Amino acid sequence: GESVGLHLPTLSVQEGDNSIINCAYSNSASDYFIWYKQESGKGPQFIIDIRSNMDKRQGQRVTVLLNKTVKHLSLQIAATQPGDSAVYFCAVLGGGSQGNLIFGKGTKLSVKP
Amino acid sequence: NAGVTQTPKFRILKIGQSMTLQCTQDMNHNYMYWYRQDPGMGLKLIYYSVGAGITDKGEVPNGYNVSRSTTEDFPLRLELAAPSQTSVYFCATSHHEQYFGPGTRLTVT
Repeated sequence: GESVGLHLPTLSVQEGDNSIINCAYSNSASDYFIWYKQESGKGPQFIIDIRSNMDKRQGQRVTVLLNKTVKHLSLQIAATQPGDSAVYFCAVLGGGSQGNLIFGKGTKLSVKP
Repeated sequence: NAGVTQTPKFRILKIGQSMTLQCTQDMNHNYMYWYRQDPGMGLKLIYYSVGAGITDKGEVPNGYNVSRSTTEDFPLRLELAAPSQTSVYFCATSHHEQYFGPGTRLTVT
């Protein structure tokens, strides 16, 4: 079955720098990918998504890159702010069903002032 | 518009007790989900529903039951609580992306 892994469990960046969080998935047939942000004591919050027919999608200060060749997904946060400190999860839709979302373990982003 | 609400926020159960975790949404979404999140881990899907009257097992359904009699409500039932069910439980709904509730922190001792 599908598995999702993150390259680093923790990431520390200086305020104002750019952050890059990486994720790898196993199923080359996966076609929908989502990034979530989870602040302490709260549920995950949708950040941005991308479908497999795209390799890049931009939001406000965030960009998701999808490399289907190596089955790799990344989230880039521009000008990282203290409010960006949280755990970030990538999730992959497996099996073609909207009910089958597979989550990675998460990367904890810490922003140093 | 409250979005996704979950009750209770916290609960301590003794082994063998039962309880129902409540989830209600006011977004008129057909899809609803229950996840559990263990410390330092991502979310694992317990059960999901694609509409009223329809439920399906996720990755870790054992020890849980669900029902979906209305579009708004998707309760999760634990019949015989075990220490392995100590976790944080999140309910979610979706139309496209998933919207999560604030979670229920459950401890079984």
